[in-house]
Amino acid sequence: DAGVIQSPRHEVTEMGQEVTLRCKPISGHDYLFWYRQTMMRGLELLIYFNNNVPIDDSGMPEDRFSAKMPNASFSTLKIQPSEPRDSAVYFCASSFPARRNTIYFGEGSWLTVV
Amino acid sequence: KQEVTQIPAALSVPEGENLVLNCSFTDSAIYNLQWFRQDPGKGLTSLLLIQSSQREQTSGRLNASLDKSSGRSTLYIAASQPGDSATYLCAVRTYNAGNMLTFGGGTRLMVKP
Repeated sequence: DAGVIQSPRHEVTEMGQEVTLRCKPISGHDYLFWYRQTMMRGLELLIYFNNNVPIDDSGMPEDRFSAKMPNASFSTLKIQPSEPRDSAVYFCASSFPARRNTIYFGEGSWLTVV
Repeated sequence: KQEVTQIPAALSVPEGENLVLNCSFTDSAIYNLQWFRQDPGKGLTSLLLIQSSQREQTSGRLNASLDKSSGRSTLYIAASQPGDSATYLCAVRTYNAGNMLTFGGGTRLMVKP
């Protein structure tokens, strides 16, 4: 299995632009998580899905952030408009219910907003 | 709200030394605790998972212990090697927090040859 795949790996964008991050979970996993990692705040859960349905989005910082999971093999995290304080590494992770304690992370999308 | 703390934040040791990383959490009503490793520029890799009913888990040179009542876990690394250099994070899954993991800030380990 290729693992959790994220794209882009790196993105530099100007303030005010729309940013879309993409994630392909491991096949068969029905939990998908979006995390953000910064030096100041560490790893924070933004939102997670179960069977493509958002379960908890209380970690989404503000309305500029939105996430979708149109099918079991694809999810997006969108920031519109982006701001410099959104600069961070965004991780996607997935897990399988019967072994839901084992969570697998992608290699992250490194976002810089200038 | 669950809070997870890791001490020390950074650690530098000579190769071959045995070492202990510490993790503490404020809400002892946990489902399980997990230790991860993160290499620079990479995602997180799960090392060990301890269920709330367990006291410890071992994998190779790694041993993780859990004292749920005191809200503490330790990760013991035996005979450290330069390849162990990475950031180690602990995370807990709390009963009243669904399937969410709460992470500590991590310990950045450097093992010098």
